[in-house]
Parts: sequence; C-alpha cells; structure tokens
Amino acid sequence: GAVVSQHPSWVICKSGTSVKIECRSLDFQATTMFWYRQFPKQSLMLMATSNEGSKATYEQGVEKDKFLINHASLTLSTLTVTSAHPEDSSFYICSARWISGNTIYFGEGSWLTVV
Amino acid sequence: GESVGLHLPTLSVQEGDNSIINCAYSNSASDYFIWYKQESGKGPQFIIDIRSNMDKRQGQRVTVLLNKTVKHLSLQIAATQPGDSAVYFCAENNAGNMLTFGGGTRLMVKP
Repeated sequence: GAVVSQHPSWVICKSGTSVKIECRSLDFQATTMFWYRQFPKQSLMLMATSNEGSKATYEQGVEKDKFLINHASLTLSTLTVTSAHPEDSSFYICSARWISGNTIYFGEGSWLTVV
Repeated sequence: GESVGLHLPTLSVQEGDNSIINCAYSNSASDYFIWYKQESGKGPQFIIDIRSNMDKRQGQRVTVLLNKTVKHLSLQIAATQPGDSAVYFCAENNAGNMLTFGGGTRLMVKP
C-alpha cells in the first residue's frame, strides 16, 4: 500500500530552538498533506492543510509563525516548530492525500520533546 | 462546529468474539468516511473506507456500516484477535476536503 514517511521519528530539543519534521509520500504524489498534533490519550487535532505550491491553511488557534509549513513538491511537506517550548512537546503526525483519489495515508508520527 | 464523535471510549472483548465500534457524525454534507487503527506510539493505519452512496462495505474481517438517516457509522471486527487491540478512530471527509476525527475508542482484547 501507499507509504508516508516521517522523519525524524523522535527528537529532543532545547527550549528556544527550532525543529523541522519532514513528511514524504514514498510511492505516490500528494497534492495535499495534512499536519496533526496528538496529545496522550486524545484524538488527532488538525493543525494545517498544506497544498503543493501554495501557502498552508491553518486551523483556528494554530500560530502560523510558530508552525511553519512548506510543501515544495508533490512528495514532500515540512513542519518547522520555531522557538520551541516545553508545551510544544507532542506527537506530530502528517498525512497525504493521493492525487488521484480521496484516500488519506498517515505517516508514523514524530515525537517531539522540548526540554 | 460540526464534528465526529464516538459513543464508547473503551471496549473490552474476548478473543474470538466480534467487536462493534460506533461513531456518530453531525456533518450531513460529509461524503466519505474512514476508519483508522492506531497502535500506541504510531501513526493511524487505514482500515476501511466507505462513501456516502453506500451503506455497507466489507474488508478482510472488517465491515463498515453507514446509516445516513441517523448519521451513524460502525466498524465491525469479526473474530477479534489480540493484535486488534488499539485505538480506533472514525474520520469524515467533508466538502472542504478536510479529515475530521472522532475522539477514538480503545479496543482491548482479552485472551
């Protein structure tokens, strides 16, 4: 089946630094990628929708200057958490919509711990 | 805003029994629904999907039922196995092409 890869799987960073998370669709082209955040024992919360070649659409309450999203190609989207703080520690998950259909595939997620 | 929710936060079943996980949605404009399985520390895994022009779809050991009249979605797992233990999310795809998730149901399979 379709594969979406996230990197890194785990990252620990110091407070105040920036962290970049990559989301790649490995065997299909994705015009749209989604970024989610998930806290323990909670559901996935959509942060932003990323369309290839255009600006991301952020959900209400998500700071666009803090969570920078770039979707430079049909197979790659990146999420950069800028000036990270401990409260940004979470599980970040991306998903990609196959260009030819509605099915959405998820990456394995990236654990971010800010110390 | 409109959302997708779940009736039962935790479901415990005996190995070999059938499991039924329920989901209610409120956006009548949603035209596509997906069930995902999420194991601890991993991303959601696609299980099965169904379009709004269908009321039933079967996969391997799983069946999804859609009742548009009462806006209800269910996932049936036949002969539940320990490996089925996970959190299950239903998700709806609305006209804005966004995927909205329900709160999740934890399925626990007792050996």
